[in-house]
Amino acid sequence: KAGVTQTPRYLIKTRGQQVTLSCSPISGHRSVSWYQQTPGQGLQFLFEYFSETQRNKGNFPGRFSGRQFSNSRSEMNVSTLELGDSALYLCASSNGQTSGANVLTFGAGSRLTVL
Amino acid sequence: SQQGEEDPQALSIQEGENATMNCSYKTSINNLQWYRQNSGRGLVHLILIRSNEREKHSGRLRVTLDTSKKSSSLLITASRAADTASYFCASLNTGGFKTIFGAGTRLFVKA
Repeated sequence: KAGVTQTPRYLIKTRGQQVTLSCSPISGHRSVSWYQQTPGQGLQFLFEYFSETQRNKGNFPGRFSGRQFSNSRSEMNVSTLELGDSALYLCASSNGQTSGANVLTFGAGSRLTVL
Repeated sequence: SQQGEEDPQALSIQEGENATMNCSYKTSINNLQWYRQNSGRGLVHLILIRSNEREKHSGRLRVTLDTSKKSSSLLITASRAADTASYFCASLNTGGFKTIFGAGTRLFVKA
């Protein structure tokens, strides 16, 4: 079965621009989580979606937003980009059941560079 | 910070030696998982231990969990050069929707 697909894999933006990243989960997975990974801060939780609803959110400013579609695909958007937003953005999918183990399957990531 | 702590931050060993990584977390958990990441790519799930378990084995991996101390350890026995990677612990909170990762341990296994 196909893995988690993230697009684009690499992108370069300038300060003040906005960016949209896409994530297609494993077929049958209804939960999508997003993480930001930087050398200094490690993996930081951004948000988690399940059946088009945001169930949990990390401590990021409102410039970071996301959504999930009815087919479970998810997008995240960062507006008014800052240099500090340069990072590897990772998406992970799971079955998202509250009684389950919630093992995450990760995509390869989208590496964003802000100049 | 959302994160738990991991130590050591970096570990360099010879092939054949054992590698032990430790992790502490902050909240009540449903389970604790360990993941591996090669060179800034996506993470791969290694092993999961539930909050009511104390020890789990999978191949060359052994993980322990002490919920009273909010800590876990991962032991990789007879390490190989191919084990060179970053290892992260991840705690699933009792609400079940949020998995928080530790800062990671970078393991380098010398051939």
